[in-house]
Amino acid sequence: DAKTTQPTSMDCAEGRAANLPCNHSTISGNEYVYWYRQIHSQGPQYIIHGLKNNETNEMASLIITEDRKSSTLILPHATLRDTAVYYCIVSAMPGSARQLTFGSGTQLTVLP
Amino acid sequence: DTEVTQTPKHLVMGMTNKKSLKCEQHMGHRAMYWYKQKAKKPPELMFVYSYEKLSINESVPSRFSPECPNSSLLNLHLHALQPEDSALYLCASSQRTAPGGSYTFGSGTRLTVV
Repeated sequence: DAKTTQPTSMDCAEGRAANLPCNHSTISGNEYVYWYRQIHSQGPQYIIHGLKNNETNEMASLIITEDRKSSTLILPHATLRDTAVYYCIVSAMPGSARQLTFGSGTQLTVLP
Repeated sequence: DTEVTQTPKHLVMGMTNKKSLKCEQHMGHRAMYWYKQKAKKPPELMFVYSYEKLSINESVPSRFSPECPNSSLLNLHLHALQPEDSALYLCASSQRTAPGGSYTFGSGTRLTVV
């Protein structure tokens, strides 16, 4: 699986949009971009994933650049409960030998 | 049921003990995983089961022994662990036949080896 690079930490004001960047310059054509988050001492929680197109669900939006070498996770209105470590992961479709391999992630702190 | 259930939530064991961690899901997922997470570190993959067969062992020491008795249940048997094995052990499952499918994680078992 391709490696990802994320900032170690970010702060965001409550109610504002949180934009979390991720670089994955070695991504292969069949690899998806996944975002998970982990609130302290809990299991990772799935947020969103995409292949080429931008995606949106009830939690977040995922913007993938046209060359697919980077992406941004957007939490449109951050709340204190969004404080967590956010992991950007690239992985091939289920069925490949390598599954989710977590990088270091970004610690997002939402400030009141 | 859209959850992965792990038991126990907390476990303290001595280095000579034998214990087991249990993971259960009823989503029909055919791939199940064990991850180990040390404090302030990302989860690290230990084992992957696909259709109840072990498909990946990430060079995990033999004192960790996984078992998948059926498509809903995954166990991790522990024997003669060391204090450095203390960690959060996470179980996950995924529907391997779904392209780009998501993975569901349990809340983990926090293991302390004394």
